[in-house]
Amino acid sequence: AQKVTQAQTEISVVEKEDVTLDCVYETRDTTYYLFWYKQPPSGELVFLIRRNSFDEQNEISGRYSWNFQKSTSSFNFTITASQVVDSAVYFCALSEARAAGNKLTFGGGTRVLVKP
Amino acid sequence: GAVVSQHPSRVICKSGTSVKIECRSLDFQATTMFWYRQFPKKSLMLMATSNEGSKATYEQGVEKDKFLINHASLTLSTLTVTSAHPEDSSFYICSARASARGGDIQYFGAGTRLSVL
Repeated sequence: AQKVTQAQTEISVVEKEDVTLDCVYETRDTTYYLFWYKQPPSGELVFLIRRNSFDEQNEISGRYSWNFQKSTSSFNFTITASQVVDSAVYFCALSEARAAGNKLTFGGGTRVLVKP
Repeated sequence: GAVVSQHPSRVICKSGTSVKIECRSLDFQATTMFWYRQFPKKSLMLMATSNEGSKATYEQGVEKDKFLINHASLTLSTLTVTSAHPEDSSFYICSARASARGGDIQYFGAGTRLSVL
């Protein structure tokens, strides 16, 4: 069965520091998708990125970057030069291609607190 | 990204009443929507998969008669919490699956905070 582990429950940084969120997944499927979502205090989950299992290219989007390493089953997320607005809970999720309805399996989430 | 609207954002009700929550995909059609429940400081727990024109698929341990799901159109799914009790108080959040190049993406609504007195 699929599983997503986010070992860090909470990270506190000072503004402008970089912060890396770890995500380790387990799956027996060869085709799968990995996601990161942001949940600010308002509650809505905001889609950040999707990566499929065949694409190991790292990606950068502004201050956000993602490192996908199939060899270690990890999909880590780095926020560079953090800002107070980055304070939120971040969820890593996995979807297996053969899962009915493409269900998402979420990690436990990492709460990021960026202090001014 | 695609927009999903969830209404109401907050509801307070008396024990024994039923509460309906709506989830709409505003700029795309969604044959599949999902309903989640989230406890404070916890992750999202999938309750059910809502399929347009057919019965919902519930996760193990979720009472079908307690949480009624209807997905009558390609843009609307509703969750009705029947005879709500204080233990049903929680944050409920829906998502709609959108087709995208390279694979589907779930877009989420803003959630509904239910408080049962």
